[in-house]
Amino acid sequence: GDSVTQMEGPITLPEEAFLTINCTYTATGYPSLFWYVQYPGEGLQLLLKATKADDKGSNKGFEATYRKETTSFHLEKGSVQVSDSAVYFCALSRIYTGANSKLTFGKGITLSVRP
Amino acid sequence: DSGVTQTPKHLITATGQRVTLRCSPRSGDLSVYWYQQSLDQGLQFLIQYYNGEERAKGNILERFSAQQFPDLHSELNLSSLELGDSALYFCASSGGRGPLSTNEKLFFGSGTQLSVL
Repeated sequence: GDSVTQMEGPITLPEEAFLTINCTYTATGYPSLFWYVQYPGEGLQLLLKATKADDKGSNKGFEATYRKETTSFHLEKGSVQVSDSAVYFCALSRIYTGANSKLTFGKGITLSVRP
Repeated sequence: DSGVTQTPKHLITATGQRVTLRCSPRSGDLSVYWYQQSLDQGLQFLIQYYNGEERAKGNILERFSAQQFPDLHSELNLSSLELGDSALYFCASSGGRGPLSTNEKLFFGSGTQLSVL
């Protein structure tokens, strides 16, 4: 079945450091790929998405490129801020038979940015 | 604020008990999704309802059930609770019926933290 694998965490970085969070997936066909973010005490929010190979999703300084050849969707940011401290989830969506679909999430990784 | 409301925020109960979690979707959204977030399993899809009808089912235990009412709010019922059911339960809503299309977006509530002692 479908699966999403994220790098082990947690991650602690100083402010203005470069961030990479690895994500790889296993799925047949052509899933859509997402990054969701969960700030402390809040629900998940969609951060960015990509729907086909070589698409780049971007938002709030974060970027991720859909790499079909490596089945990856790594999240990057050039300069992190304290306000980026949150839990980050990689996810994929694929259409199943009929009208069914679901999001499959990775386990999430906690990012802490220190001032 | 996502517009999705979940109550209660925290719930502490004992093994063998039954609890009900409530979700009010964003105004106008017809689909409600339930997810379970645990430390070892990450986010697991449980079930989806669209306009009152079950639409898709994921890894939902037989001890768990859900429904969506005519006013579109949804309830997730968890019975015969076990220690392993302790988790954060998220509700999400979207405007469409599914499948989750390229243009569809899920809006999540803040979750209900369930602790089974």
